[in-house]
Amino acid sequence: DAKTTQPNSMESNEEEPVHLPCNHSTISGTDYIHWYRQLPSQGPEYVIHGLTSNVNNRMASLAIAEDRKSSTLILHRATLRDAAVYYCILRDVIVSGTYKYIFGTGTRLKVLA
Amino acid sequence: GAGVSQSPRYKVTKRGQDVALRCDPISGHVSLYWYRQALGQGPEFLTYFNYEAQQDKSGLPNDRFSAERPEGSISTLTIQRTEQRDSAMYRCASSLALTNTGELFFGEGSRLTVL
Repeated sequence: DAKTTQPNSMESNEEEPVHLPCNHSTISGTDYIHWYRQLPSQGPEYVIHGLTSNVNNRMASLAIAEDRKSSTLILHRATLRDAAVYYCILRDVIVSGTYKYIFGTGTRLKVLA
Repeated sequence: GAGVSQSPRYKVTKRGQDVALRCDPISGHVSLYWYRQALGQGPEFLTYFNYEAQQDKSGLPNDRFSAERPEGSISTLTIQRTEQRDSAMYRCASSLALTNTGELFFGEGSRLTVL
């Protein structure tokens, strides 16, 4: 299984940008990079995903290094509601058309008012 | 339904009893995943179905754990002869699959406590 490495925790001030790093040095050419977050007492929810190019959506941006061995999730303006555990995941291809998602321990983001 | 539905939400059982946890995925979703999550840890992969076929069960801890999805929709995770170490939140997720997005939609989870 492809592995990811994330810092255990990070802090940010409210209304400021947050950059959450993820290392995935063993990534293969077909692995998509997915980010999920888990709010307190809830199930994980999808944030964003990408393959090679940087991606933007209404929740966040994903910056992918040129060699794809690392990526960064960017929250442009952190709010108190963004306090959660953020997981960086490589979607593991088992065989064509079948995948599994292996979660690590994630980064616990604390947002300070 | 609108989302992934799991039942029961809470289950307390005595050691040695069998339990069955149910997952009703989003209508039309092909793939279904089971995860187990201990307090303060990330979700741990257990098993995965495409339609009714169990594609990967490498995460099931031992032979007391089994899962089925006989008609390609509702799935049941069964734990036989429960032990205290089985206590955890059990989460189910579904996805459309066969797409590059592969976004997982998680249910609220079933919290199992084994006394």
